[in-house]
Amino acid sequence: DIQMTQSPSSLSASVGDRVTITCQASQDISNYLNWYQQKPGKAPKLLIYDASNLETGVPSRFSGSGSGTDFTFTISSLQPEDIATYYCQQYDNLPGFGPGTKVDIK
Amino acid sequence: EVQLVESGGGLVQPGRSLRLSCAASGFTFDDYAMHWVRQAPGKGLEWVSGISWNSGSIGYADSVKGRFTISRDNAKNSLYLQMNSLRAEDTALYYCATSKTVVLTPAYFDYWGQGTLVTVSS
Repeated sequence: DIQMTQSPSSLSASVGDRVTITCQASQDISNYLNWYQQKPGKAPKLLIYDASNLETGVPSRFSGSGSGTDFTFTISSLQPEDIATYYCQQYDNLPGFGPGTKVDIK
Repeated sequence: EVQLVESGGGLVQPGRSLRLSCAASGFTFDDYAMHWVRQAPGKGLEWVSGISWNSGSIGYADSVKGRFTISRDNAKNSLYLQMNSLRAEDTALYYCATSKTVVLTPAYFDYWGQGTLVTVSS
Protein backbone atom coordinates (compact mmCIF):
# COMPACT_ATOMS: atom_id res chain seq x y z
CA ASP A 1 0.00 0.00 0.00
CA ILE A 2 1.12 3.55 -0.71
CA GLN A 3 1.58 5.65 2.41
CA MET A 4 1.12 9.41 2.29
CA THR A 5 2.69 11.86 4.71
CA GLN A 6 2.02 15.57 5.00
CA SER A 7 3.93 18.31 6.72
CA PRO A 8 3.41 20.26 8.75
CA SER A 9 0.45 18.73 10.57
CA SER A 10 -0.69 22.25 11.44
CA LEU A 11 0.39 25.80 10.87
CA SER A 12 -0.56 29.34 11.78
CA ALA A 13 0.02 32.19 9.38
CA SER A 14 -1.01 35.78 8.91
CA VAL A 15 -3.42 37.05 6.30
CA GLY A 16 -1.46 37.68 3.13
CA ASP A 17 1.27 35.16 3.94
CA ARG A 18 2.44 32.53 1.52
CA VAL A 19 1.59 29.07 2.87
CA THR A 20 3.23 25.85 1.70
CA ILE A 21 2.24 22.29 2.53
CA THR A 22 4.19 19.26 1.42
CA CYS A 23 2.96 15.76 0.72
CA GLN A 24 5.22 12.76 0.25
CA ALA A 25 4.32 9.37 -1.15
CA SER A 26 6.05 6.16 -0.11
CA GLN A 27 6.62 5.28 -3.77
CA ASP A 28 6.51 6.94 -7.16
CA ILE A 29 2.95 7.97 -8.02
CA SER A 30 3.78 10.09 -11.08
CA ASN A 31 1.35 13.03 -10.93
CA TYR A 32 -1.56 11.01 -9.49
CA LEU A 33 -2.11 13.45 -6.67
CA ASN A 34 -5.06 15.67 -5.72
CA TRP A 35 -5.55 18.31 -3.02
CA TYR A 36 -8.72 18.98 -1.02
CA GLN A 37 -9.86 21.65 1.39
CA GLN A 38 -12.19 20.76 4.25
CA LYS A 39 -13.77 23.45 6.38
CA PRO A 40 -15.22 22.52 9.79
CA GLY A 41 -18.53 20.71 9.51
CA LYS A 42 -18.37 20.61 5.72
CA ALA A 43 -17.58 18.04 3.08
CA PRO A 44 -14.17 18.24 1.41
CA LYS A 45 -13.74 20.27 -1.75
CA LEU A 46 -11.45 19.36 -4.64
CA LEU A 47 -8.95 22.17 -5.30
CA ILE A 48 -6.13 20.69 -7.37
CA TYR A 49 -6.09 17.52 -9.48
CA ASP A 50 -3.26 15.69 -11.21
CA ALA A 51 -0.78 17.52 -8.97
CA SER A 52 -1.00 20.90 -10.61
CA ASN A 53 -4.36 21.46 -12.32
CA LEU A 54 -6.70 23.97 -10.73
CA GLU A 55 -10.27 22.74 -10.43
CA THR A 56 -12.84 24.97 -12.13
CA GLY A 57 -13.94 27.85 -9.94
CA VAL A 58 -11.06 27.57 -7.47
CA PRO A 59 -9.20 30.84 -6.83
CA SER A 60 -5.84 31.19 -8.51
CA ARG A 61 -4.04 31.79 -5.19
CA PHE A 62 -4.13 28.01 -4.79
CA SER A 63 -1.55 25.99 -6.70
CA GLY A 64 0.14 22.62 -6.70
CA SER A 65 3.32 21.15 -8.04
CA GLY A 66 5.46 18.05 -7.95
CA SER A 67 5.69 14.55 -9.35
CA GLY A 68 7.06 11.20 -8.33
CA THR A 69 7.10 11.15 -4.55
CA ASP A 70 7.25 14.82 -3.53
CA PHE A 71 4.44 17.32 -3.92
CA THR A 72 3.76 20.86 -2.79
CA PHE A 73 0.55 22.78 -2.25
CA THR A 74 0.73 26.56 -1.99
CA ILE A 75 -1.61 29.36 -1.03
CA SER A 76 0.06 32.45 -2.43
CA SER A 77 -1.71 34.93 -0.16
CA LEU A 78 -3.62 33.45 2.77
CA GLN A 79 -7.17 34.73 3.18
CA PRO A 80 -9.43 34.38 6.23
CA GLU A 81 -11.74 32.06 4.29
CA ASP A 82 -8.84 29.65 3.70
CA ILE A 83 -8.97 28.45 7.31
CA ALA A 84 -9.42 24.72 6.85
CA THR A 85 -7.72 21.36 6.85
CA TYR A 86 -6.00 20.41 3.61
CA TYR A 87 -5.55 16.83 2.44
CA CYS A 88 -3.53 15.30 -0.33
CA GLN A 89 -4.92 12.19 -2.02
CA GLN A 90 -3.18 9.73 -4.33
CA TYR A 91 -4.76 7.39 -6.84
CA ASP A 92 -1.84 5.39 -8.14
CA ASN A 93 -3.66 2.14 -7.43
CA LEU A 94 -6.52 2.46 -5.01
CA PRO A 95 -7.09 5.93 -3.57
CA GLY A 96 -5.62 7.06 -0.28
CA PHE A 97 -5.44 10.30 1.66
CA GLY A 98 -2.70 12.00 3.57
CA PRO A 99 -3.25 12.78 7.27
CA GLY A 100 -4.11 16.43 6.68
CA THR A 101 -2.69 19.85 7.50
CA LYS A 102 -4.72 22.24 9.62
CA VAL A 103 -4.28 25.88 8.64
CA ASP A 104 -5.37 28.75 10.82
CA ILE A 105 -4.79 32.47 11.16
CA LYS A 106 -2.12 33.80 13.47
CA GLU B 1 -27.22 21.09 -9.65
CA VAL B 2 -25.40 17.95 -8.51
CA GLN B 3 -26.85 16.49 -5.34
CA LEU B 4 -25.72 13.48 -3.35
CA VAL B 5 -27.83 12.54 -0.36
CA GLU B 6 -26.66 9.79 1.95
CA SER B 7 -28.96 7.88 4.27
CA GLY B 8 -29.05 4.76 6.39
CA GLY B 9 -26.65 5.70 9.15
CA GLY B 10 -27.39 5.27 12.83
CA LEU B 11 -26.41 3.54 16.04
CA VAL B 12 -25.64 -0.15 15.66
CA GLN B 13 -24.12 -2.78 17.94
CA PRO B 14 -20.75 -4.34 17.17
CA GLY B 15 -21.06 -7.33 14.88
CA ARG B 16 -24.33 -6.14 13.34
CA SER B 17 -25.01 -4.87 9.82
CA LEU B 18 -26.09 -1.63 8.23
CA ARG B 19 -26.80 -0.57 4.66
CA LEU B 20 -26.01 2.94 3.49
CA SER B 21 -27.60 4.53 0.44
CA CYS B 22 -26.64 7.54 -1.65
CA ALA B 23 -29.26 9.11 -3.92
CA ALA B 24 -27.78 11.06 -6.80
CA SER B 25 -29.35 13.75 -8.94
CA GLY B 26 -28.38 16.59 -11.24
CA PHE B 27 -25.99 14.60 -13.40
CA THR B 28 -25.85 11.49 -15.56
CA PHE B 29 -25.19 8.92 -12.86
CA ASP B 30 -23.77 6.21 -15.08
CA ASP B 31 -21.18 8.61 -16.49
CA TYR B 32 -19.30 8.50 -13.20
CA ALA B 33 -17.49 6.13 -10.94
CA MET B 34 -18.66 6.46 -7.33
CA HIS B 35 -16.90 6.14 -4.01
CA TRP B 36 -17.44 6.00 -0.27
CA VAL B 37 -15.09 7.99 1.95
CA ARG B 38 -15.36 8.06 5.73
CA GLN B 39 -14.15 10.32 8.50
CA ALA B 40 -13.99 9.19 12.11
CA PRO B 41 -14.86 11.92 14.64
CA GLY B 42 -12.02 14.43 14.79
CA LYS B 43 -9.89 12.40 12.37
CA GLY B 44 -8.83 12.53 8.74
CA LEU B 45 -10.36 11.18 5.57
CA GLU B 46 -10.23 7.50 4.72
CA TRP B 47 -11.20 6.09 1.34
CA VAL B 48 -13.45 3.08 1.90
CA SER B 49 -14.59 1.72 -1.44
CA GLY B 50 -15.20 2.62 -5.07
CA ILE B 51 -17.13 1.28 -8.04
CA SER B 52 -16.82 1.98 -11.75
CA TRP B 53 -19.71 3.19 -13.88
CA ASN B 54 -20.88 -0.30 -14.83
CA SER B 55 -19.86 -2.10 -11.62
CA GLY B 56 -17.17 -3.86 -13.61
CA SER B 57 -14.38 -2.64 -11.34
CA ILE B 58 -14.66 -2.48 -7.56
CA GLY B 59 -12.11 -1.73 -4.86
CA TYR B 60 -11.99 -1.75 -1.08
CA ALA B 61 -9.68 -0.46 1.59
CA ASP B 62 -7.93 -3.25 3.48
CA SER B 63 -9.71 -2.13 6.65
CA VAL B 64 -13.13 -3.10 5.24
CA LYS B 65 -12.33 -5.82 2.71
CA GLY B 66 -14.45 -8.90 3.27
CA ARG B 67 -16.93 -7.04 5.47
CA PHE B 68 -18.27 -4.24 3.24
CA THR B 69 -19.86 -4.52 -0.20
CA ILE B 70 -20.37 -1.63 -2.56
CA SER B 71 -23.01 -1.67 -5.28
CA ARG B 72 -24.91 0.69 -7.52
CA ASP B 73 -28.20 0.76 -9.37
CA ASN B 74 -27.89 3.03 -12.38
CA ALA B 75 -31.61 2.80 -13.10
CA LYS B 76 -32.29 4.27 -9.67
CA ASN B 77 -29.33 6.68 -9.63
CA SER B 78 -28.26 5.14 -6.36
CA LEU B 79 -25.11 3.93 -4.64
CA TYR B 80 -25.05 1.52 -1.72
CA LEU B 81 -22.68 0.26 0.93
CA GLN B 82 -23.58 -2.94 2.76
CA MET B 83 -21.61 -3.02 5.99
CA ASN B 84 -21.41 -6.32 7.88
CA SER B 85 -19.56 -7.36 11.03
CA LEU B 86 -19.33 -3.75 12.13
CA ARG B 87 -16.64 -2.74 14.61
CA ALA B 88 -16.20 0.23 16.90
CA GLU B 89 -13.48 1.52 14.58
CA ASP B 90 -16.03 1.79 11.75
CA THR B 91 -17.66 4.68 13.62
CA ALA B 92 -17.48 7.61 11.23
CA LEU B 93 -19.28 10.02 8.97
CA TYR B 94 -19.67 8.25 5.65
CA TYR B 95 -19.61 10.38 2.52
CA CYS B 96 -20.48 9.32 -0.99
CA ALA B 97 -18.54 11.10 -3.69
CA THR B 98 -18.45 11.21 -7.47
CA SER B 99 -15.25 10.78 -9.39
CA LYS B 100 -15.09 12.57 -12.71
CA THR B 101 -14.11 9.42 -14.53
CA VAL B 102 -16.05 6.28 -15.42
CA VAL B 103 -13.36 3.95 -14.12
CA LEU B 104 -12.23 3.26 -10.58
CA THR B 105 -8.95 5.11 -10.99
CA PRO B 106 -7.97 7.83 -11.64
CA ALA B 107 -10.08 9.06 -8.77
CA TYR B 108 -10.97 12.72 -8.43
CA PHE B 109 -13.65 13.30 -5.83
CA ASP B 110 -15.32 16.34 -7.30
CA TYR B 111 -18.78 16.20 -5.67
CA TRP B 112 -19.57 15.05 -2.16
CA GLY B 113 -22.70 14.51 -0.12
CA GLN B 114 -23.05 15.80 3.41
CA GLY B 115 -22.51 12.39 4.92
CA THR B 116 -24.40 9.96 7.13
CA LEU B 117 -23.14 9.13 10.61
CA VAL B 118 -22.54 5.54 11.61
CA THR B 119 -21.94 4.84 15.28
CA VAL B 120 -20.94 1.33 16.32
CA SER B 121 -21.36 0.86 20.03
CA SER B 122 -22.95 -1.48 22.51
